[in-house]
Amino acid sequence: ETGVTQTPRHLVMGMTNKKSLKCEQHLGHNAMYWYKQSAKKPLELMFVYSLEERVENNSVPSRFSPECPNSSHLFLHLHTLQPEDSALYLCASSQDRAHYYEQYFGPGTRLTVT
Amino acid sequence: AQTVTQSQPEMSVQEAETVTLSCTYDTSENNYYLFWYKQPPSRQMILVIRQEAYKQQNATENRFSVNFQKAAKSFSLKISDSQLGDTAMYFCAFGETSGSRLTFGEGTQLTVNP
Repeated sequence: ETGVTQTPRHLVMGMTNKKSLKCEQHLGHNAMYWYKQSAKKPLELMFVYSLEERVENNSVPSRFSPECPNSSHLFLHLHTLQPEDSALYLCASSQDRAHYYEQYFGPGTRLTVT
Repeated sequence: AQTVTQSQPEMSVQEAETVTLSCTYDTSENNYYLFWYKQPPSRQMILVIRQEAYKQQNATENRFSVNFQKAAKSFSLKISDSQLGDTAMYFCAFGETSGSRLTFGEGTQLTVNP
């Protein structure tokens, strides 16, 4: 395992449920990222946090709500999701935003919305 | 906006042989970074190799090397002496030197056969 962990690794939820994805990095990094990975599509950047401040939000629906309480932890709160939200959600971190090009990824959470 | 295209959704190679994965990109920038990431089954995505556009010399990391053709906007990955552990999804990615995000291709699933 690298220094970025994600829990849970698998999650099945109904469209009316509320759940949260957790990411933790042990690398002393200051920037963290959420990506959505769907089959046969490029990784989609969802959110970027730098020093716990959200610096990018790429037109992500409000049913996805990120939270970064400190530089080591990143959450993605989910509510009233749609089946098309089923995907692998990847967290990544980098030393800082300027070093965005060297990101360390977590193993991902495989989300299935039923 | 930058785009990254990987035209080979799937490839296979025999163990110990050499394989080349293709990647093309589109940008109006003169200086930038290019990357190849590897995502093994159910494991973290890791950085394989990085190329800076201002460097003419092709990057090499052990059995992995790139063929960077700036004028053609091509960035292929060559894996020599393929090993079973090379089986993975490979993503090509682009990063601006003045930017803050990576743009990924759709990925190429490589299978190394014994």
